[in-house]
Order: sequence, then structure tokens, then C-alpha cells
Amino acid sequence: GQNIDQPTEMTATEGAIVQINCTYQTSGFNGLFWYQQHAGEAPTFLSYNVLDGLEEKGRFSSFLSRSKGYSYLLLKELQMKDSASYLCAVMDSNYQLIWGAGTKLIIKP
Amino acid sequence: SAVISQKPSRDICQRGTSLTIQCQVDSQVTMMFWYRQQPGQSLTLIATANQGSEATYESGFVIDKFPISRPNLTFSTLTVSNMSPEDSSIYLCSVVFPNSGNTIYFGEGSWLTVV
Repeated sequence: GQNIDQPTEMTATEGAIVQINCTYQTSGFNGLFWYQQHAGEAPTFLSYNVLDGLEEKGRFSSFLSRSKGYSYLLLKELQMKDSASYLCAVMDSNYQLIWGAGTKLIIKP
Repeated sequence: SAVISQKPSRDICQRGTSLTIQCQVDSQVTMMFWYRQQPGQSLTLIATANQGSEATYESGFVIDKFPISRPNLTFSTLTVSNMSPEDSSIYLCSVVFPNSGNTIYFGEGSWLTVV
């Protein structure tokens, strides 16, 4: 079967760095996405990786290793507004998106 | 950037009734999808809304319960029929824009509570 694994919840301190991991097993691979979802809101797109390596976008970076079926989202200089759920999703060979359950990130002052 | 609007944003519905959710995009889009996100859960794809033809439903979802229309490239509706408390959920319209690769963008969501 296809599955996406990511931690259920993480806690970090304002100003610090946090890494949210995502491992996947899917039928084929056409890219990996990270979305941010604040409580009571719809998900918003953060990043897309289809090739191995690190993609940096401001305070957020996303890494992919296709051979290991592994990605992480790195958040630097954490702010209170970064408290949200972070969803990992993989597009399989049929261009179907497989969603992880999300990681709830709690930022403490 | 393009806007994806959903109506209603929130509603409280009586058991046994039906509600239609509208999704309007301010530009033509390649693909439109309808997702459900039940409380504390991740996203579940209900169906792909096909322009000019019947929607393609995922396992566990049927047209009688979730009829979908897509009359053109900028608009779609999802109806939740004969609602029960188990249908209480966020319903999300999502789209893929031309030239955006495979990236899916979401509307603001419709929060339905069935009582």
C-alpha cells in the first residue's frame, strides 16, 4: 500500500530551528509537496520537490531524497505565527496525491 | 495571484437535508478537485470535477451522495446530500493552474456542521 509518515506533533521555541520529517512509500513518484494549515483555515502551498536536494525559500527549506523515500521541512527563526499543521503529500505515478496526516507544530515563547 | 472562492464558508445543517457548495476561480483552470477534511484528520479526495462530463469519484464516495457539477473551466459545485452528523467536515475545492506544474491550490474551505 501507499503511505506517508510524519510525526503527529512537535514543539519548538520561538527563534529556534525545527525540522519536520516525512517518509513515504508510494507507487511511483511525481513530486513531494509541503503545505501549511493554520487551525480553522485551508492548507496553503509551501514547497514542491521533484529532484533530490534542498530547496530554500526564505525561512523555509525543503529537502528530498528519492532513494531514501525521505523529505524534511526546515523552519528557521521560528515565529509564533508558524504554529500550524504541516502536511506532507506525495504525487504517485498516476498523479494522485497521497497525503500524510500532518504534523502539528507548537511554538513556545 | 488567482483567487479561489468558496461559498458558503460556514453552515449548520439539519440532518437529512442537502447543501450545495460553490467554487469559483477567477481564471480558467486545468483541473478541479473536491476534498474533505474531517475533524483532526488529513485530507481525503472525494472526486475530480471534470468539465463537461461526470466527475471521477474516489473509493468510498458515490455520485448519489456527492453530486458534482463543472459547467465550465472556472466553476464547480459539490452537493452533500441527505446529510448526517458524520458529514460534518471541511470541504475544500482545489485546483491546478495552467503552467503551475502539479501544484494544487486550495479554496478557503466550507465548514459544515450537521446537527
